[in-house]
Amino acid sequence: AQKITQTQPGMFVQEKEAVTLDCTYDTSDPSYGLFWYKQPSSGEMIFLIYQGSYDQQNATEGRYSLNFQKARKSANLVISASQLGDSAMYFCAMRDTGGFKTIFGAGTRLFVKA
Amino acid sequence: DGGITQSPKYLFRKEGQNVTLSCEQNLNHDAMYWYRQDPGQGLRLIYYSQIVNDFQKGDIAEGYSVSREKKESFPLTVTSAQKNPTAFYLCASSIGPGTVAEAFFGQGTRLTVV
Repeated sequence: AQKITQTQPGMFVQEKEAVTLDCTYDTSDPSYGLFWYKQPSSGEMIFLIYQGSYDQQNATEGRYSLNFQKARKSANLVISASQLGDSAMYFCAMRDTGGFKTIFGAGTRLFVKA
Repeated sequence: DGGITQSPKYLFRKEGQNVTLSCEQNLNHDAMYWYRQDPGQGLRLIYYSQIVNDFQKGDIAEGYSVSREKKESFPLTVTSAQKNPTAFYLCASSIGPGTVAEAFFGQGTRLTVV
């Protein structure tokens, strides 16, 4: 069965510093996609970044990068130069190409300090 | 503007009542999903639909029902059989099976039993 694990319930980071949010996953499917979403206090889920299982390079989107280590089954999100507006819940998620379900981790709440 | 619209934003239900949450998308996506989120937790899948007139139970379907009569619409009914319906409900859509494209989310509906 597929599973996503986020072991950090909460994280603090100083403004302008980088922070890494951990995500490990488990699947027996060779083809899958990994996603990170941001959920601010307003509740909507905002897509941040995507990594395909066959992608050779780590995905990057602006200040977000995904540290993909396939052998270790980890897909950590790195946020560079943190901003106060980055304070939110962050969810790691996974879906395989043959499936129709996206499964989510429990989330990590990030607090950015001024 | 393409997107997903959920309504209402807030909903109050009396004990024993059925209520229906609306979800409409104009992204021309085949797949649609309903998730439940409890405070401090991740998303759990209630129902999903791959195409019109077809839907499958997710992990926590008991006490809920859905319909998919139109591609754009995927309403969720919370029935009186759902013992603890107070939660935040998120609707999502994606291109469909065979891809790992990201899911797009609505703004959510916060349901409270009074």
